[in-house]
Amino acid sequence: QVTLKESGPALLKPTQTLTLTCTFSGFSLSTSGVRVSWIRQPPGKALEWLARIDWDDDEFYSTSLKTRLTISKDTPKNQVVLTMTNIDPVDTATYYCARVHSSGHSFDYWGQGILVTVSS
Amino acid sequence: QTVVTQEPSFSVSPGGTVTLTCGLSSGSVSTGYYPSWYQQTPGQAPRTLIYSTNTRSSGVPDRFSGSILGNKAALTITGAQADDESDYYCVLYMGGGIYVFGTGTKVTVL
Repeated sequence: QVTLKESGPALLKPTQTLTLTCTFSGFSLSTSGVRVSWIRQPPGKALEWLARIDWDDDEFYSTSLKTRLTISKDTPKNQVVLTMTNIDPVDTATYYCARVHSSGHSFDYWGQGILVTVSS
Repeated sequence: QTVVTQEPSFSVSPGGTVTLTCGLSSGSVSTGYYPSWYQQTPGQAPRTLIYSTNTRSSGVPDRFSGSILGNKAALTITGAQADDESDYYCVLYMGGGIYVFGTGTKVTVL
């Protein structure tokens, strides 16, 4: 059974760095073809893809946020970590991690999401 | 910057049929973008409905179908039910590990 769960701070101040952890089970990032992405959704707005990390350590980022994001993995712990620097109130959103379908083109399993609020 | 456009809202009667579309701000959507579709109810994580244009995810009822209509990807709900009332998002795979979500469509069943 595949599950993913996000964890991290619920509240941060502007200019701080956000660190989110996705802990998953039912698959391994040591397996060829496995990929995990981060996606976010500001309140009342659309979903936005942020980043992806692959089993072979390849990393991909949203063009608009590339300079602020870093995605990494801890394979033995079954975790993927996303850091976002210099956060702003517009980064207030529910952040989801999702496993990428084996084809590489879509998402098949999603975490429940974590709401992160940025406010001074 | 690539913008993936969807209708803001649709209303459908119970038992009716509705087709949502997913287009590109510039250019046509083809199977090469591997369009996928997700359903999201308020306060819940998205649920995968369709991937690779027209393949239903496990457990998804066959009243949901995906296709390419003209220059857009499409999601058709045939025989809409009350619990289909949700937000629907498409995703296009742009290549190079990059994905773009659509603007989303709110479907009301009444």
